[in-house]
Amino acid sequence: KQEVTQIPAALSVPEGENLVLNCSFTDSAIYNLQWFRQDPGKGLTSLLLIQSSQREQTSGRLNASLDKSSGRSTLYIAASQPGDSATYLCAVRPYGTASKLTFGTGTRLQVTL
Amino acid sequence: GAVVSQHPSWVICKSGTSVKIECRSLDFQATTMFWYRQFPKQSLMLMATSNEGSKATYEQGVEKDKFLINHASLTLSTLTVTSAHPEDSSFYICSARNEEQYFGPGTRLTVT
Repeated sequence: KQEVTQIPAALSVPEGENLVLNCSFTDSAIYNLQWFRQDPGKGLTSLLLIQSSQREQTSGRLNASLDKSSGRSTLYIAASQPGDSATYLCAVRPYGTASKLTFGTGTRLQVTL
Repeated sequence: GAVVSQHPSWVICKSGTSVKIECRSLDFQATTMFWYRQFPKQSLMLMATSNEGSKATYEQGVEKDKFLINHASLTLSTLTVTSAHPEDSSFYICSARNEEQYFGPGTRLTVT
């Protein structure tokens, strides 16, 4: 059974810092991995999708890497801003058309002024 | 990115009544849609997977007669909470997938 863990569970950084969020998964047979953010009381916003054949994806200040063989992904946020404060979730998807995402435990990020 | 909408965004109902939540993929066709519920400070819990034109597949422990799911078209899925009770109060989130998975903004259900 796939298990996805995120470290740290919570993180507080001053504005402007670069930071790394970690995601690890136990079964490397994944189709893709997605990073999401969730603001309090809101749904999930997809940030980046990495296919199993890819090593990284970038969008603006965000960069996500994937090392499938070691079961790890990182989300790098450059020059953090207070608006980045949210809970960040990674999720892995196995192969199969109706396959289900397995979510990580989440990292709650607070960027302070 | 693709947009998934949910309606209503919040609803309050009396115990024993039924509530329907709609989920629409606005700019793409989704053969597969998912329904989740989320308790405060917890991650999402998958309730069921629905494929257009066929019966939904429910996760273990989810009562299919209580949580009725209909996926009538490639852009619309509905979740009906029947005979709602206070313990059904939760945040319900739908999701639609083509290649990437997109989530709706959620529906806050409060049963009094």
